[in-house]
Amino acid sequence: KAGVTQTPRYLIKTRGQQVTLSCSPISGHRSVSWYQQTPGQGLQFLFEYFSETQRNKGNFPGRFSGRQFSNSRSEMNVSTLELGDSALYLCASSPTGMGGYTFGSGTRLTVV
Amino acid sequence: GQQLNQSPQSMFIQEGEDVSMNCTSSSIFNTWLWYKQDPGEGPVLLIALYKAGELTSNGRLTAQFGITRKDSFLNISASIPSDVGIYFCASRGGNTDKLIFGTGTRLQVFP
Repeated sequence: KAGVTQTPRYLIKTRGQQVTLSCSPISGHRSVSWYQQTPGQGLQFLFEYFSETQRNKGNFPGRFSGRQFSNSRSEMNVSTLELGDSALYLCASSPTGMGGYTFGSGTRLTVV
Repeated sequence: GQQLNQSPQSMFIQEGEDVSMNCTSSSIFNTWLWYKQDPGEGPVLLIALYKAGELTSNGRLTAQFGITRKDSFLNISASIPSDVGIYFCASRGGNTDKLIFGTGTRLQVFP
C-alpha cells in the first residue's frame, strides 16, 4: 500500500515568489492535513481538508492556502514568500480525520 | 490557545536504559498520539490512545492516557541505537478537533 507522497522533496524560491506543494494521500483516505515544521516553532497546524472542504484552519496568514481535489489529492500554496516561510512542510492523511495520521516525508522549502 | 508541554526537551542515555517522557496540558483531550521523527522524514505514529486511563504497548514502547485527560506518558524499555530521534506527543479534543503537537523530546542513545 503506497504511503503519503509529497512532491517536490526540496525547493528553493526567492522572496516574493509563490509556491505550490502537492500531496497524494493513502488510497481511501479522505482527510488531508498540512503542517509547517521549523526548529523554533515546532509542528504548526496549517489546515485540514475533508472531501474537498476545508474543515479546520490554523493561525497562518492568508498567504497560505490550500485545496483538495475529488480524488483526495491536495495542494497548498504560499504566495509572496518571505524568508520566515523556510520550513519543512508536512502533509498527513487519515481515513476520516479522527485517529492517527500518516505523514509524508515532507517538502523542504528554502526561501532566499 | 491550547498547548502541549512536552518534557524533557532532550535526553542522552546509554543503550539498554529505560526512557520516560511525558506531555501535559491545561485542557482536556480525548485523543493522545505518540509519534517518532527521524531526520529528513515525516513523523511516524507509534501509539494511539483514545480512552482515559488506557495503557497500550507496542513492543518496547508503552504509553498511557492520563485519567485526568490532561496528560500522557511514553516509556521506552531497553533502549537501542535505532531509538534515536525526536518523539512528539499529539492530541485532539477540547474546543477543537485539530491535531496539535507537543514541542518534542530529542533522544540520543549511546552504545
